Amino acid sequence: QSVLTQSPSASGTPGQRVTISCSGSSSNIGDNYVYWYQQLPGTAPKLLIYRNNQRPSGVPDRFSGSKSGTSASLAISGLRSEDEADYYCATWDDSLSVWVFGGGTKLTVL
Amino acid sequence: EVQLVESGGGLVQPGRSLRLSCAASGFIFDDFAMHWVRQAPGKGLEWVSGISWDSGSIVYADSVKGRFTISRDNARNSLYLQMNSLRAEDTALYYCAKGSEVVPVSYGMDVWGQGTTVTVSS
Repeated sequence: QSVLTQSPSASGTPGQRVTISCSGSSSNIGDNYVYWYQQLPGTAPKLLIYRNNQRPSGVPDRFSGSKSGTSASLAISGLRSEDEADYYCATWDDSLSVWVFGGGTKLTVL
Repeated sequence: EVQLVESGGGLVQPGRSLRLSCAASGFIFDDFAMHWVRQAPGKGLEWVSGISWDSGSIVYADSVKGRFTISRDNARNSLYLQMNSLRAEDTALYYCAKGSEVVPVSYGMDVWGQGTTVTVSS
């Protein structure tokens, strides 16, 4: 069982906005930056969001991140078929002194 | 272009050892922390270990502490993972990942390699 909790699945139709949530605690999300990664089928993870809400160059502004207290969210607007992938949140945990990942959310574009 | 190329994976018997390598290029290697992250077949991502730019700060997941050793050679732009006393549950695709800052704590991974597969089985 992951320290960070994500819903196992999410779905939306093309053009829709979907939100993926990540729930943690004061020792991880509450006190540290959150990162989001996208893993397309059969490929390595790719950084989507760093430091809670920053986008690396090349990541479309359809992707946005936010954090409030001990929870974080990834929002994808204008959903496209190529967004179908697994999405993971990650952060440092001060109590465990390790990096922790959420269990991942599989996004399906209907 | 930042590139990370892992090697050294393979099939190994339980209890034996294996050493993974990661060759880095396209960035100033000794300016950044580095990490190993693994993914068991059909499962999610699991962070394994991280090392600071100067090897002065090293952290491990509890699941590998005492069995795995991370190291780096800045002169060779290379990262390593020495894996001893391997178990079936260590079977996974092992990714090398570049840290976004000099230390592995608090600041995450920004570029990932394609991974090398480790299978522990008799």
